[in-house]
Parts: sequence; C-alpha cells; structure tokens
Amino acid sequence: DTGVSQDPRHKITKRGQNVTFRCDPISEHNRLYWYRQTLGQGPEFLTYFQNEAQLEKSRLLSDRFSAERPKGSFSTLEIQRTEQGDSAMYLCASSLAARRYTGELFFGEGSRLTVL
Amino acid sequence: DQQVKQNSPSLSVQEGRISILNCDYTNSMFDYFLWYKKYPAEGPTFLISISSIKDKNEDGRFTVFLNKSAKHLSLHIVPSQPGDSAVYFCAASEETSGSRLTFGEGTQLTVNP
Repeated sequence: DTGVSQDPRHKITKRGQNVTFRCDPISEHNRLYWYRQTLGQGPEFLTYFQNEAQLEKSRLLSDRFSAERPKGSFSTLEIQRTEQGDSAMYLCASSLAARRYTGELFFGEGSRLTVL
Repeated sequence: DQQVKQNSPSLSVQEGRISILNCDYTNSMFDYFLWYKKYPAEGPTFLISISSIKDKNEDGRFTVFLNKSAKHLSLHIVPSQPGDSAVYFCAASEETSGSRLTFGEGTQLTVNP
C-alpha cells in the first residue's frame, strides 16, 4: 500500500480558470477528507465522505467548490472560476471508520494551487 | 472562531533537552486530541493522541498531557533530536463528527545540534 496519493502536486492557473484535484485514499479506508491549508495556518476542514456519501461540508466550501467520490474510492475536488484567494495547499486524508475510535487521519502530500 | 489555538508560532531548543509544545481549546465537546508533525513539502503525519478520559499518554520520547479543566494539552519531547525539527499541529475531534479534525495554527520546532 502506498498511502494517500494526490495529483497533481502543484497546479498554477490563471484567475477564472477551473481546476480539479484527485485523491486516491488508502484502499481499505472508507472515509475521505479534504482540507485546505494556507501559509502560517493549520489545515482547515472542507468536506468529508463516508464511502460515496458526502456527509459534511464546511462553510468554507463555497458554491464554486465541488467534491465527489463516485464509487467510494478516489475523490475529486473541483474549483470553478478560481480566485487568487483560492491559492493554498489542498490536503486529502483518509481513515477507516472502526469500532475503536482513534481520530487518526492519514494525509497525502497535498496539491498546491497557485492562482495568478 | 479559533477552537484550537497554539499560541507559540516557534520554539527553539538544544539537542538533548526537553521540548514542550502547548495547545489550548475551547470546545468542551472534543473527546480526542492528536498531535501531527509536518515536514516541508509533505503532508502531516500522526504522532500521538490522547482520549479525553485520560490525562497522559506516552510513546517513546513523546508524551502528551491533557488538562481538561484548563482545556489545555501539551506535547513533551525528551530528549529532543535535530530530526524532530518540524511544524507540530495540535488537533481535536469529536467522535460524533466522523473524525473531522480541528487544527491549531502550528508551532515550528527547531532543535539545534
């Protein structure tokens, strides 16, 4: 198992363009999370899925953001009409909902978005 | 509102000495607390956690202390090593929230040889 993988690692785009990030979680994990991290801040929760169901979305997730996990495996995060304020590191994490709760998440290396 | 707060952006210690990183929280519904370590260009990696029913958890050189009445937790690293130099994030979660973590701002630890 290679852990959580994210693609692309770095994306530079012009304001107004659409971008899509992909996350492949650890294979047996049924929960998948998206976080955003800006410079000098900790990761901020955006949304999470249990299997293919999107169970919670943060107020940070404006209507320009959409996330999917169509078959309960990989997930995509799309940002439409990007703005300079969207520049950040987008982190994906996964976990296994299990009887013994630990709260531990496994993070990918992130996808860095730069909006010019 | 910042529910998890790390008031020290940076900490510098000498190799072999103790590093103490602090974290405060405001949400009394949090029932699990975790510390993550992050190196540049990598995602955060889990370090140690503690349940709200405990006040101490130890794993090798790392010990986390929880003071529920003060809504405060700390991470002790002893002895500190240069490889411990990284950003440390405190995080908290509620089991009913599906393991959603709320993170602090992070503390940059530098361990000098």
